[in-house]
Amino acid sequence: QLQLQESGPGLVKPSETLSLTCTVSGGSISSTSYYWGWIRQPPGKGLQWIGSFYYSGSTYYNPSLKSRVTISVDTSKNQFSLKLRSVTAADTAVYYCARRKIGPPYYFDYWGQGTLLTVSS
Amino acid sequence: EIVLTQSPATLSLSPGERVTLSCRASQSVSTYLAWYQQKPGQAPRLLIYDASNRATGIPARFSGSGSGTDFTLTISSLEPEDFAVYYCQQRSDWPPITFGQGTRLEIK
Repeated sequence: QLQLQESGPGLVKPSETLSLTCTVSGGSISSTSYYWGWIRQPPGKGLQWIGSFYYSGSTYYNPSLKSRVTISVDTSKNQFSLKLRSVTAADTAVYYCARRKIGPPYYFDYWGQGTLLTVSS
Repeated sequence: EIVLTQSPATLSLSPGERVTLSCRASQSVSTYLAWYQQKPGQAPRLLIYDASNRATGIPARFSGSGSGTDFTLTISSLEPEDFAVYYCQQRSDWPPITFGQGTRLEIK
């Protein structure tokens, strides 16, 4: 059974860089069949896609965040990471990692449980 | 960027009732639209993909329809566990992948 688990500091100061890691078990992030990505949800609000990557090295970012975001991959650990620079209070959210299949069902079919990241001094 | 607008924002209904939720796209997404259910403290769960296909393990009371810019999610007879927030999401034109703002389904 595929499992995704987010990990991170929980609290980040304004202007600093947020770093989160998603550890995948029960499946390989090097598979040709999936995109892997990050989605966030501010408290009480809706979902925002941050970005995704494909095993070939291609990365795709939300244009609204592109200047501050980097997604990287560590295939040896079956992990991928998110870095978001120059954070503000508006970046406070639950951050999810998720898998999106290239074939059916084409959408985010497996999600991590989410990790709350608070930006505060 | 394709904007998805869901309506209504909140619905108050009773178990056993039939409900239809709406999602409208700012431009055609063909049938490349999904629906998710999210309960408090949980990650979203994929219900419907490509407008009308139920995801694995989703009960038959959930159905989706639509194409182009107008889509609906119907729950034929509400069960107590169906009270949650529902989101639509498009994959037609990305990046960015976009979600609707959600419809909250609450118990009357």
